[in-house]
Amino acid sequence: KNEVEQSPQNLTAQEGEFITINCSYSVGISALHWLQQHPGGGIVSLFMLSSGKKKHGRLIATINIQEKHSSLHITASHPRDSAVYICASRPPPYGGSQGNLIFGKGTKLSVKP
Amino acid sequence: NAGVTQTPKFRILKIGQSMTLQCTQDMNHNYMYWYRQDPGMGLKLIYYSVGAGITDKGEVPNGYNVSRSTTEDFPLRLELAAPSQTSVYFCASTLDTYTEAFFGQGTRLTVV
Repeated sequence: KNEVEQSPQNLTAQEGEFITINCSYSVGISALHWLQQHPGGGIVSLFMLSSGKKKHGRLIATINIQEKHSSLHITASHPRDSAVYICASRPPPYGGSQGNLIFGKGTKLSVKP
Repeated sequence: NAGVTQTPKFRILKIGQSMTLQCTQDMNHNYMYWYRQDPGMGLKLIYYSVGAGITDKGEVPNGYNVSRSTTEDFPLRLELAAPSQTSVYFCASTLDTYTEAFFGQGTRLTVV
């Protein structure tokens, strides 16, 4: 069964700290997505990656295909980074899969000033 | 450029009532999806569509129906609302299965 596990479930940090959120998936993928959801808000795509590393501002996403593992890093965290971060894997659209996203349960991040 | 627009944002239904959640995208995306998000759970796929006139069931389709008469619109219909359908619903779209997903703002539905 294709599963996505995130850790930790909840994370509290002080402003300025370096933050890491982890994501493991069980089957091969065509892409791995990182999403952000603010309280009461919609969902925004942060990254889509299939290999290596991507950077956008203070956010960095990495993926290790062999280990089926991805990390989302936030440098110099700020209270506005407080949100739920969701990892989602997209299996290839063959072999019984439609290529639809499989979502983790999310990591709730709270950054204190 | 509006992206994905969902309406309404909030709704309270009585058991047995019906309603339609609207979803429109203006990016000419082929793929559209409906998800539900329950507390402590990952998003679950209800229905999806790979193009106008084509729809398919996702992981949790019971109690819902969809249609896709145009590329832009993908409404989700609840025929006989049940308390188990209390959830937050998200519509999303992608150009294809290899591209970024765009989500609507969500609809918070309560069935009482």
